[in-house]
Amino acid sequence: DTEVTQTPKHLVMGMTNKKSLKCEQHMGHRAMYWYKQKAKKPPELMFVYSYEKLSINESVPSRFSPECPNSSLLNLHLHALQPEDSALYLCASSQEDRGQPQHFGDGTRLSIL
Amino acid sequence: SQQGEEDPQALSIQEGENATMNCSYKTSINNLQWYRQNSGRGLVHLILIRSNEREKHSGRLRVTLDTSKKSSSLLITASRAADTASYFCATLPDSWGKLQFGAGTQVVVTP
Repeated sequence: DTEVTQTPKHLVMGMTNKKSLKCEQHMGHRAMYWYKQKAKKPPELMFVYSYEKLSINESVPSRFSPECPNSSLLNLHLHALQPEDSALYLCASSQEDRGQPQHFGDGTRLSIL
Repeated sequence: SQQGEEDPQALSIQEGENATMNCSYKTSINNLQWYRQNSGRGLVHLILIRSNEREKHSGRLRVTLDTSKKSSSLLITASRAADTASYFCATLPDSWGKLQFGAGTQVVVTP
């Protein structure tokens, strides 16, 4: 069992839909991350939140919108996605954004029709 | 962009054998981390080695770091079928910033 919980595990959506991915951790970590991972590739960083403030946006298209409502929750709002956005989306957390080990959830497998 | 390059890309061994994989990187680092990813799961942190350390052990895992060669190795001793996974190295530049993952090594351990 992972200490970072992601929901849903699978999501299929059309290109015009709006959906959200959710991530929750109760380890008291103050840094949270969104990664995108394609098959047989390493994870690619999308966003970093540090103390509930967005600290890194890796030039991600605006159709992905992150939100950190509180220190335990991280959301990724999706709108008008493209087929190439189909991937595994991983959430991670660490004590702080200072290079400590990251704890990953099991991800949301997203398919865009 | 990817900082670490891993070698080999894939490794197939039998249970009980040792598995060694290598990671090379380009810029000076603060620390280097190894992660494991089982199929369909998230990454699991295995071990972190700081730039002033040369070797670290954790159970059946041994990690070495050679900052002069900008390389690290992960040794898994007495491998088990449950070690079948992808292994990624990740480096934190000494200028801080983001953790940068290598391309990964796929390890298959057959009974």
